[in-house]
Amino acid sequence: QTVVTQEPSLTVSPGGTVTLTCASSTGAVTSSYHPNWFQQKPGQAPRSLIYSTNNKHSWTPARFSGSLLGDKAALIVSGVQPEDEADYYCLLYYGGAQVLGGGTKLTVL
Amino acid sequence: EVQLVQSGAEVKKPGESLKISCKGAGYKFSDRWIGWVRQMPGKGLEWMGSIYPGDSDTRYSPSFQGQITISADRSISTVFLQWSSLKASDSAMYYCARQVASNLIDYWGQGTLVTVSS
Repeated sequence: QTVVTQEPSLTVSPGGTVTLTCASSTGAVTSSYHPNWFQQKPGQAPRSLIYSTNNKHSWTPARFSGSLLGDKAALIVSGVQPEDEADYYCLLYYGGAQVLGGGTKLTVL
Repeated sequence: EVQLVQSGAEVKKPGESLKISCKGAGYKFSDRWIGWVRQMPGKGLEWMGSIYPGDSDTRYSPSFQGQITISADRSISTVFLQWSSLKASDSAMYYCARQVASNLIDYWGQGTLVTVSS
């Protein structure tokens, strides 16, 4: 069974920059996996941030960006705000199937 | 405005059946996949499966194959997630999400909390 791996937790200072990554047990993540990123705050439904590696939704704040970094997908948050404290999930497409990562708990401290 | 509106919280006993729903609005319902995602208490998101309402093409993640049934009724723009015999381990929040083509998830429902307890 395919496993998508994210850092369990990361901590960043307000105003700083943080990179969250997303790895696949099948090997290098490429654009053909169409990485999507989601943000979930406590008690809320997930919110979509990034699709197809680096494309933002109309509601995605400019400080969020996506890329490929080495053999992983990455979500970069620049100029972190206190309200960015949340869980972040990546999703990769494998042909007709989708697999979600275990999530990264981002603490802003 | 695109909206996915899910049915309300449910409390069931082990062995009972259940069908929860996700109603789409603000777009052509039959043209977009809808997926279901499970979140067990204090845990991460898990993709369960998805359906294309246009032709009811349905795909299940391996972990959920045989455990659930996903269906759609285009006449009421609604997708369903169904269990025939609930277990306590099915207690979770369930979200529906809209998928565009094969590379993009954009809108999410508000979630349906399912509690299974004797």
